[in-house]
Amino acid sequence: RKEVEQDPGPFNVPEGATVAFNCTYSNSASQSFFWYRQDCRKEPKLLMSVYSSGNEDGRFTAQLNRASQYISLLIRDSKLSDSATYLCVVNTGGGADGLTFGKGTHLIIQP
Amino acid sequence: GAVVSQHPSWVICKSGTSVKIECRSLDFQATTMFWYRQFPKQSLMLMATSNEGSKATYEQGVEKDKFLINHASLTLSTLTVTSAHPEDSSFYICSGWSRRGADTQYFGPGTRLTVL
Repeated sequence: RKEVEQDPGPFNVPEGATVAFNCTYSNSASQSFFWYRQDCRKEPKLLMSVYSSGNEDGRFTAQLNRASQYISLLIRDSKLSDSATYLCVVNTGGGADGLTFGKGTHLIIQP
Repeated sequence: GAVVSQHPSWVICKSGTSVKIECRSLDFQATTMFWYRQFPKQSLMLMATSNEGSKATYEQGVEKDKFLINHASLTLSTLTVTSAHPEDSSFYICSGWSRRGADTQYFGPGTRLTVL
């Protein structure tokens, strides 16, 4: 079983729509959770951390369900610039441990 | 967020040569830096963890004699791919760990290595 699993997509969504995708992780000892965004042939960039209570940053909402070991990302009022690959990332230790990445979910926002 | 630079951005070399990649944290001190590798349409895979002033810790399956890591200062880590072969062609990305902000890692822009 893979440590971090995501639906690779692609998700084709019209501009302005709301889209959500999930990620599951296998290690119940995981402590920190993040969503990163990666554009084609670029490095990953932190989109947001995911907290147990859920958190929101503008059009983006992230939620964590520890009991079911999944993380979700919701994007409202999607923009063309949201087209990218969204990486679910888990850290089983503290900040000084390597991150475990999912393969990413490819999102395409269509005009 | 914190800034990490990486050089070179891309390199093309012949099989058998060695390639050095530099990773610098520009506005923070990174006691720990990480090296990842990403093959096309694959996820980033951690290769090794580099701690300033000590030996790097390699992930299972990564040859330490082939991928030499040096972390001589709090702002610089280098990865040398020795005797590179075509199967080493990949996107190599470093990151630095900082307690600033989200207590997460900040990534360099990556180095695309192509071995002919």
